[in-house]
Amino acid sequence: GAVVSQHPSRVICKSGTSVKIECRSLDFQATTMFWYRQFPKQSLMLMATSNEGSKATYEQGVEKDKFLINHASLTLSTLTVTSAHPEDSSFYICSAPLLAGGNNEQFFGPGTRLTVL
Amino acid sequence: QKEVEQDPGPLSVPEGAIVSLNCTYSNSAFQYFMWYRQYSRKGPELLMYTYSSGNKEDGRFTAQVDKSSKYISLFIRDSQPSDSATYLCAMTSGYALNFGKGTSLLVTP
Repeated sequence: GAVVSQHPSRVICKSGTSVKIECRSLDFQATTMFWYRQFPKQSLMLMATSNEGSKATYEQGVEKDKFLINHASLTLSTLTVTSAHPEDSSFYICSAPLLAGGNNEQFFGPGTRLTVL
Repeated sequence: QKEVEQDPGPLSVPEGAIVSLNCTYSNSAFQYFMWYRQYSRKGPELLMYTYSSGNKEDGRFTAQVDKSSKYISLFIRDSQPSDSATYLCAMTSGYALNFGKGTSLLVTP
């Protein structure tokens, strides 16, 4: 299957700082990527859809000013958690569909575990 | 009512057993169905992808979709301890995936 990487895999930061998470499609191009958040023993919750060359689309209840998304190229999307607080501690995972146009397999990155002290 | 329902388990079976995992859904617009396996603290790994009613087989895994009943299943034959993980069903009518809660599976030696 296609490979999606994320960096860093784990980050611990102080409350009030900003954290940037990178998501890369390594062997295919992705005009769209998705960012999910997963709390312990819960399923994945879609936060936003990242679109190359245009603004991200956020799900209801997700603060766009807090979770900044930049789809810089066809292989890179970044999620920046601004002014992080302990309640932002979670497992953040990105995914990308293999082919443009949707309706096909989506591959996930390994996830980034964020802990805000 | 959630769009995708999945029994969270946990489900415990002996090694070699046939495992049956299921999801139901309410949105008839869902046309594409996936099963993912997720180990603890890891990203989901795509196991099966299907878009038509019927069965699709890949090794020890069989995905079954019944669109008329809005019901999908994943069967694992000859289960192994390494199959112990959380299994997530996911479905979509376009891009964004809608996930079930995941079923925790434990295969005991």
